[in-house]
Amino acid sequence: SQKIEQNSEALNIQEGKTATLTCNYTNYSPAYLQWYRQDPGRGPVFLLLIRENEKEKRKERLKVTFDTTLKQSLFHITASQPADSATYLCALEKSQGGYNKLIFGAGTRLAVHP
Amino acid sequence: DVKVTQSSRYLVKRTGEKVFLECVQDMDHENMFWYRQDPGLGLRLIYFSYDVKMKEKGDIPEGYSVSREKKERFSLILESASTNQTSMYLCASRLFSGNTIYFGEGSWLTVV
Repeated sequence: SQKIEQNSEALNIQEGKTATLTCNYTNYSPAYLQWYRQDPGRGPVFLLLIRENEKEKRKERLKVTFDTTLKQSLFHITASQPADSATYLCALEKSQGGYNKLIFGAGTRLAVHP
Repeated sequence: DVKVTQSSRYLVKRTGEKVFLECVQDMDHENMFWYRQDPGLGLRLIYFSYDVKMKEKGDIPEGYSVSREKKERFSLILESASTNQTSMYLCASRLFSGNTIYFGEGSWLTVV
């Protein structure tokens, strides 16, 4: 069966360190992979999109890698701050007929401590 | 800025009631989605629409239906609400495949 796995345990790190979150998938061949941030009680907010032919994407303190051989994406936040504390979701976009649908992982909660 | 507006933030309904959740987007997006989010299960796709009057089942369509009569509006209908439909419901839209998805703030539905 098709699965997207994110670490269900919260990631606790010290302010200033690099946070690394993992998204693994099985039995998908996604065209795109996206990362979202979700704060409690709010809808997810888009962060980064990476295409299947891209290895890495950066945006300010954020970096995403996409390894289609390992079927894995890594999401890095450098110089982390307490304001980065949130749940981070990865999402795969896969083709279904003539259109794509977006499937989400369950998310990993990040807590950055001062 | 793109805005996706969900009409109700918090609802409490009785078992067996018909429930309408409305969603409106203001950016002329082709695709619209309804997800539900439950602790430990993440976002699960209920239905999506890639164009007006078009709809496709997601992963958990049972007990739900949708309507998209106009491009900007996508409604989720619970024909006969049940307690296992208590959840947070999220509407989203995007221009088309490969683009950013914009979410609404969510509708918290409690069925008693």
